[in-house]
Amino acid sequence: GAVVSQHPSRVICKSGTSVKIECRSLDFQATTMFWYRQFPKKSLMLMATSNEGSKATYEQGVEKDKFLINHASLTLSTLTVTSAHPEDSSFYICSARDPPRTAARTDTQYFGPGTRLTVL
Amino acid sequence: AQSVTQPDIHITVSEGASLELRCNYSYGATPYLFWYVQSPGQGLQLLLKYFSGDTLVQGIKGFEAEFKRSQSSFNLRKPSVHWSDAAEYFCAVGAGAGGYQKVTFGIGTKLQVIP
Repeated sequence: GAVVSQHPSRVICKSGTSVKIECRSLDFQATTMFWYRQFPKKSLMLMATSNEGSKATYEQGVEKDKFLINHASLTLSTLTVTSAHPEDSSFYICSARDPPRTAARTDTQYFGPGTRLTVL
Repeated sequence: AQSVTQPDIHITVSEGASLELRCNYSYGATPYLFWYVQSPGQGLQLLLKYFSGDTLVQGIKGFEAEFKRSQSSFNLRKPSVHWSDAAEYFCAVGAGAGGYQKVTFGIGTKLQVIP
């Protein structure tokens, strides 16, 4: 099946610094990618929907200036956590939508392995 | 707004026993429903999905789920669990084109398998 990668898998940074997380679709072109945040013992929370070549659509309560999303190509979306603070520590997961190539197919969403961010 | 409830946060079953993980959803129209599995340190893997048609859906790894509109449920089942099934399972409901435009996840059920 299709593969979505994330880099890095784990990052530790100091408070006040910015961290960039990459999400790549390895064998398909993803016009739409999604960014989720997973809190311990809680569900995944959709942060934003990223469409190639346009501005991301953020969910209510997610700070656009804090979580910068760029989807510059059909295989790459990046999430930058700006001026990170300890409360930003979390597991960030991206997914990519593989659109149907024929009328008989439905599209599919593939998830990356996640990035563990720890802000000291 | 759509929502998903997974009433069991943690379930323990013996290897070889049958399994049922419960999921209830709230959505105004015909839902797109998913079950995902997440192993420690891994991303989510799609087990199965329901978009329309037959209400009993077969998935990978021997899992199946049944959509019951009258009960707003989409319970996941497996007749005989294996130790490798130990993981966290997420039920999700989607909206929009193909069901993937706005996916809402449940809180997850952690499955422990004992010998």
